[in-house]
Amino acid sequence: GAVVSQHPSRVICKSGTSVKIECRSLDFQATTMFWYRQFPKQSLMLMATSNEGSKATYEQGVEKDKFLINHASLTLSTLTVTSAHPEDSSFYICSVGEVGGNSPLHFGNGTRLTVT
Amino acid sequence: AQSVTQLDSHVSVSEGTPVLLRCNYSSSYSPSLFWYVQHPNKGLQLLLKYTSAATLVKGINGFEAEFKKSETSFHLTKPSAHMSDAAEYFCVVSGWSGNTGKLIFGQGTTLQVKP
Repeated sequence: GAVVSQHPSRVICKSGTSVKIECRSLDFQATTMFWYRQFPKQSLMLMATSNEGSKATYEQGVEKDKFLINHASLTLSTLTVTSAHPEDSSFYICSVGEVGGNSPLHFGNGTRLTVT
Repeated sequence: AQSVTQLDSHVSVSEGTPVLLRCNYSSSYSPSLFWYVQHPNKGLQLLLKYTSAATLVKGINGFEAEFKKSETSFHLTKPSAHMSDAAEYFCVVSGWSGNTGKLIFGQGTTLQVKP
C-alpha cells in the first residue's frame, strides 16, 4: 500500500492567492521529508528538505519566503506556495525516507498546481 | 560530487521485445543507485536500488539493472516489454548535503511501447 499520501492531487488557483499542499507519511514517523518540483517533460528538482521541529533547508535559488514549509509533526509536512503566480504552475512531489534513514525513497503521487 | 546521465531521452520498442534504458553515473565514492518509474501525472515508484550488495539487482515488474563500476553504468533492462511499461524512467544517484541524503535525478527517459 501507499507509504506517502499527498493532497490535493490537483489544484487551480488565481494569481496572488496561496495554496497549501500536504504530505503525510502513512507507515512510519518521518523526521525528514523532501519537496520536489517538476516542470513538464523535465526531471525532478529538489526544492527543500523539511525537518521535523526545525526550519527547512532550502536549495540554492529557491525562495524560502515564497515556498513555506512546515513540518510540525512526524507524519505531516506542508508546502505553502504564497502569492502564487502563473510561473509557479508545476508538479510538486513530496517524499520520505526509509525508517531510520534520511534519504528520500518513497514518493507521493504529486500535486498539479495551475495558477491562472 | 555526484551526477547521473541518462543517455537516451526517448526509447521506443515493440511489445514483447527487450528494453534497455542506459544510465551512467559519476560519484567520488561508492554510490547508491536507483531506478524510478513515473506514469503521467503520478508520483514516482521505486523499481529497484543498488546499495553495494549484489551487482545485479532485480526489481519489480521484471526489471533488473546491473552495476558496472568499471563502466560507471547502471543500465535498466527487461526481457520483454509490456504495454503497461510505457512511462518515464529516472536513473537516480544518492548524494549527501551535510548529514542529509539527497537524490540526484537524471533527465529521464521516455519509454514508448508499440503494439
